[in-house]
Amino acid sequence: AQSVTQLDSHVSVSEGTPVLLRCNYSSSYSPSLFWYVQHPNKGLQLLLKYTSAATLVKGINGFEAEFKKSETSFHLTKPSAHMSDAAEYFCVVSESGTYKYIFGTGTRLKVLA
Amino acid sequence: AAGVIQSPRHLIKEKRETATLKCYPIPRHDTVYWYQQGPGQDPQFLISFYEKMQSDKGSIPDRFSAQQFSDYHSELNMSSLELGDSALYFCASSPGTGVQPQHFGDGTRLSIL
Repeated sequence: AQSVTQLDSHVSVSEGTPVLLRCNYSSSYSPSLFWYVQHPNKGLQLLLKYTSAATLVKGINGFEAEFKKSETSFHLTKPSAHMSDAAEYFCVVSESGTYKYIFGTGTRLKVLA
Repeated sequence: AAGVIQSPRHLIKEKRETATLKCYPIPRHDTVYWYQQGPGQDPQFLISFYEKMQSDKGSIPDRFSAQQFSDYHSELNMSSLELGDSALYFCASSPGTGVQPQHFGDGTRLSIL
């Protein structure tokens, strides 16, 4: 069975410093992986996706993620945090065959002024 | 750009009542997914439809049913509501099957009194 594990439930960074949100996956197949962001009382917005093309994926709002098969990781990074980045971030794997999403437990990012 | 529309945004019901949640996918998206997100939880897959046929079923209670109509909108019908059904219900749509990113609506917040 496929799954994703988000290693940190909460991350705090200062504005202007780098962001690292960690995600490890488990899959027997080449997975399709996504990062979504959820602001309070809002829906989930797609940040970026990995679907077996380039291993370094660039997304919206300056975010990027690197797929590392040897480490089964898909960590999300951003060089410089902005106050508006404060939100809940979900790492997601799309299940092979059914394409339904399996979500990680989420990481709440706090950005300090 | 058009997004996924969910209605109502908020719904308050009492135990044992029924509720109907509606989802209007992005135009030309023929696949719809429903997810349930409990307080402080990650979204859990309920059910999906492709071309008006149920394509997959997750942890959806027998008290719930759903369908996709000829115009591709979908409705989630919930009966004999319980306190534990209080959650944020998301609908997502994607074009066809395959590994296409899902686009989420803002959700319906259902509160059971």
